[in-house]
Amino acid sequence: AQSVTQLDSQVPVFEEAPVELRCNYSSSVSVYLFWYVQYPNQGLQLLLKYLSGSTLVKGINGFEAEFNKSQTSFHLRKPSVHISDTAEYFCAVSGVITNAGKSTFGDGTTLTVKP
Amino acid sequence: NAGVTQTPKFRVLKTGQSMTLLCAQDMNHEYMYWYRQDPGMGLRLIHYSVGEGTTAKGEVPDGYNVSRLKKQNFLLGLESAAPSQTSVYFCASSQRTGGLHFGNGTRLTVT
Repeated sequence: AQSVTQLDSQVPVFEEAPVELRCNYSSSVSVYLFWYVQYPNQGLQLLLKYLSGSTLVKGINGFEAEFNKSQTSFHLRKPSVHISDTAEYFCAVSGVITNAGKSTFGDGTTLTVKP
Repeated sequence: NAGVTQTPKFRVLKTGQSMTLLCAQDMNHEYMYWYRQDPGMGLRLIHYSVGEGTTAKGEVPDGYNVSRLKKQNFLLGLESAAPSQTSVYFCASSQRTGGLHFGNGTRLTVT
């Protein structure tokens, strides 16, 4: 079985400040990791993904995430946020072989960027 | 490209009525999924398909059925709707790896 825990349900931050959204996962097998963003009344959009190789992955909109296998974490970071980054963010995990293609999602983190 | 298209966008049903949600993708993806999204609960997998003619149960399959007669289409059916099925339903598609491509959702209310 695999699971994802997003440690913060809401993160308020001021514009141009850095932000970190935390994600821990649990799995007995090798995994792929993803972050998605959801704007109001829209579907989810892939921000970035870790499949293999470098543990620091860069995505769209200036976001990056670091895969830490020993701590089973995949935290999302941005050095300077904009008002337009206000959205809900989801961390997800899928298996490489077992549970391949089946993504399990965290409960989401609402990022609110204040002027 | 249209990506993943869901029909309809909104629907209101009475308890006991039936309906079918349609999902179409034009990316030639092998895998397709139906998720439901409820406040504070993230996305939960209802059913999924790893190829044309195949379907499998996800985390919350009860009360739903699916069919994948064509590679590009994935149908989700509710045979007898219940208020607990009030939710936002998302269809997604993918290759075996690389992340999911989502539609814009169907907002279903069961009264």
